[in-house]
Amino acid sequence: QKEVEQNSGPLSVPEGAIASLNCTYSDRVSQSFFWYRQYSGKSPELIMSIYSNGDKEDGRFTAQLNKASQYVSLLIRDSQPSDSATYLCAVNMEHVFGNEKLTFGTGTRLTIIP
Amino acid sequence: DADVTQTPRNRITKTGKRIMLECSQTKGHDRMYWYRQDPGLGLRLIYYSFDVKDINKGEISDGYSVSRQAQAKFSLSLESAIPNQTALYFCATSDFPDNLRGMNEQFFGPGTRLTVL
Repeated sequence: QKEVEQNSGPLSVPEGAIASLNCTYSDRVSQSFFWYRQYSGKSPELIMSIYSNGDKEDGRFTAQLNKASQYVSLLIRDSQPSDSATYLCAVNMEHVFGNEKLTFGTGTRLTIIP
Repeated sequence: DADVTQTPRNRITKTGKRIMLECSQTKGHDRMYWYRQDPGLGLRLIYYSFDVKDINKGEISDGYSVSRQAQAKFSLSLESAIPNQTALYFCATSDFPDNLRGMNEQFFGPGTRLTVL
């Protein structure tokens, strides 16, 4: 069974601090990794994609990928109350090019405390 | 205007009724997907279509059917709705994979909240 695991939280972080969200996945050959933000009752919104080992930065967000250890993380710097949401990790664990589809984790609920 | 739209946004129906949820997109993507989301279970793939002539079952296709009417339209049907199909339903689209990076990002519609009594 191909799985994507996230701590469900809630994760509480003071405003202005760094929020760290983690995700592990079961398939070693996975190549594409995504982080989505979802506000309550709303649709998932893509915030980061990462394909290579290492860090990828976009504004206050940094995605980190370690394929050898099979984990991907999301750091949010200078956390704001508007960052309070559920963060979904998604991984493509299909090996056949052209047949890609995502497996989602159950999400981590993040609360930023003013 | 939204790139991916879903209708209806909310629907309450009774057990045994036939329901159709519709998805339209203006992103020009060939690939479209239907997911359901339940509390604690995350997003689960129901059906997906890589082009107009291609339909594939996802993780939880029992009790559902789909139709890809055009590149831009993908509808999901519940032939005889039951209460455990009460959920939030999302349509998503993506472009064909990139040779170097692999899978491209998926973009989601606003969702349909379905309640089956």
